[in-house]
Amino acid sequence: GENVEQHPSTLSVQEGDSAVIKCTYSDSASNYFPWYKQELGKRPQLIIDIRSNVGEKKDQRIAVTLNKTAKHFSLHITETQPEDSAVYFCAARYSGGYQKVTFGTGTKLQVIP
Amino acid sequence: DGGITQSPKYLFRKEGQNVTLSCEQNLNHDAMYWYRQDPGQGLRLIYYSQIVNDFQKGDIAEGYSVSREKKESFPLTVTSAQKNPTAFYLCASSTEQGGDSGANVLTFGAGSRLTVL
Repeated sequence: GENVEQHPSTLSVQEGDSAVIKCTYSDSASNYFPWYKQELGKRPQLIIDIRSNVGEKKDQRIAVTLNKTAKHFSLHITETQPEDSAVYFCAARYSGGYQKVTFGTGTKLQVIP
Repeated sequence: DGGITQSPKYLFRKEGQNVTLSCEQNLNHDAMYWYRQDPGQGLRLIYYSQIVNDFQKGDIAEGYSVSREKKESFPLTVTSAQKNPTAFYLCASSTEQGGDSGANVLTFGAGSRLTVL
């Protein structure tokens, strides 16, 4: 089955700096890669996603890149703000008969004011 | 107000007891999922269901059971066979859109925290 690895597990940055979180996946049949943000005590929410036919996607201060050959994808947050502090999860969806969504282990991002 | 509702929010169980966590959605979503969240281990898939009366085991299905008798409901039973059931359980739902151009956005419930005494 699909295995998603995520690094780093914790990340501290100064406000205004950039943050990068990296994920790798194992199954080349995966075709959809979302990122979820979970603030303390709240449910995970989708912040950005990328499909396998696209190499990069941006949404204001957030961008995601995908390298299908290397089977890795990354989340980039620029000009970080304290409200970006949260746990971020990457995920991969297998495109086979049953569309199973597998998550990484999460990255706790702390933005220091 | 559309959404996905989990109950109870907190649940305490004695060892050897089965407990059932409720998950209801009014989003008309086809697919529903159960994840377990433990510190440092992310979200691990327990069971998922794409249509009524059909469900598949996820990565950590042992000690758990589910049913999908209605599109809106996907209850999870934590049985006494689950050796370490204390955890935070998240239910999610999504519309299923396949193919290379399809997205699969999950909407999560607020979660249920189960503690075994």
